[in-house]
Amino acid sequence: GQQLNQSPQSMFIQEGEDVSMNCTSSSIFNTWLWYKQDPGEGPVLLIALYKAGELTSNGRLTAQFGITRKDSFLNISASIPSDVGIYFCAGHPQRGADGLTFGKGTHLIIQP
Amino acid sequence: KAGVTQTPRYLIKTRGQQVTLSCSPISGHRSVSWYQQTPGQGLQFLFEYFSETQRNKGNFPGRFSGRQFSNSRSEMNVSTLELGDSALYLCASSFLAGGSTDTQYFGPGTRLTVL
Repeated sequence: GQQLNQSPQSMFIQEGEDVSMNCTSSSIFNTWLWYKQDPGEGPVLLIALYKAGELTSNGRLTAQFGITRKDSFLNISASIPSDVGIYFCAGHPQRGADGLTFGKGTHLIIQP
Repeated sequence: KAGVTQTPRYLIKTRGQQVTLSCSPISGHRSVSWYQQTPGQGLQFLFEYFSETQRNKGNFPGRFSGRQFSNSRSEMNVSTLELGDSALYLCASSFLAGGSTDTQYFGPGTRLTVL
């Protein structure tokens, strides 16, 4: 099936730093979604992107839907301790209708 | 508006048993999708139901099944449990059917442990 390559796998940063993570695919996606998951909980939607080139912000978070429709990035500015968690990219591939395809996640760890 | 709810939150079963998990979608949402999350495989799509009909199915054995009721609530069933079925099972709801541009909202999950 479809696969999303998400990087980096983990990040160790200082509080206040900016964070950047991205997802790439070998095939075209119709939507890109970014979720955050805390331990023992389900993923919580952060940002949804529906059009190629779309740039959307949600507070300190900014995400973009790549022009080629094969990639997306998520930026977090001025990180704070509650940003700790696992961030997943997900999307609906253009071909096939088998649910959301997820990346493997980026584990964000913030050192005070 | 209440979010997606899943019951039970935790479950311990032994090999060979069967289990039923329940999901109530956000009010007004008609699509329910199920995912399995494990450390090794990540989040994998199980199946999707829309208006009581299974629309899509992921690459899982027939031991995994589901259904959706007229009020959009959904259940998934796993028969003849194996150790490898231990996972967090997540339910997600959306207004439209999957494969569209609609957004899926997840519940907190059911943690299944098979001994």
